[in-house]
Amino acid sequence: AQSVTQLGSHVSVSEGALVLLRCNYSSSVPPYLFWYVQYPNQGLQLLLKYTTGATLVKGINGFEAEFKKSETSFHLTKPSAHMSDAAEYFCAVSSSGGYQKVTFGTGTKLQVIP
Amino acid sequence: GAGVSQSPRYKVAKRGQDVALRCDPISGHVSLFWYQQALGQGPEFLTYFQNEAQLDKSGLPSDRFFAERPEGSVSTLKIQRTQQEDSAVYLCASSPRRSEHTGELFFGEGSRLTVL
Repeated sequence: AQSVTQLGSHVSVSEGALVLLRCNYSSSVPPYLFWYVQYPNQGLQLLLKYTTGATLVKGINGFEAEFKKSETSFHLTKPSAHMSDAAEYFCAVSSSGGYQKVTFGTGTKLQVIP
Repeated sequence: GAGVSQSPRYKVAKRGQDVALRCDPISGHVSLFWYQQALGQGPEFLTYFQNEAQLDKSGLPSDRFFAERPEGSVSTLKIQRTQQEDSAVYLCASSPRRSEHTGELFFGEGSRLTVL
């Protein structure tokens, strides 16, 4: 079984401030981890992913996330928020075997204040 | 096409009506998934196809929900005798076989179903 917990359904940051969105996962096998972004009335788009190798992964639009096995975490960060970052962000997990069914968290809506 | 295409984008149904939602995956993608996203929630898995074979339908909420992908490309999600609790956005996603995209899903824009 696998699951994802996202802490904070809403996060507000000032433009230019650090963005930190928290994600903890549970998986019985080595996980693959993802962050997806969803803009209003659009489908989900992959921001970044961790499968194996380097635990710090970089994605699009300046986002990065670090896989910490000891903390079962995969927090998403961006050094400086931009207005265009306002969206909903979903953390997701899949297993390293089988057909890789992807399980999503409940999402964190990011508001960027000018 | 370049991306996953879903139709209709918006559907309003009266309670008890049957609806059909269509998904055109990215050409050549073997895997196809349907997810249900209720308002304010994350996507919830419904069912998975590998080519024409439905390998997992454990997420379908009731026997009113039925999905097919008869030729291994286009898929249809059918909901019979719709209920108000079926109101949600239905997301289709496809994935290539190759491991370089392991677990990565390519989503369509979704079909928003409102049951009155």
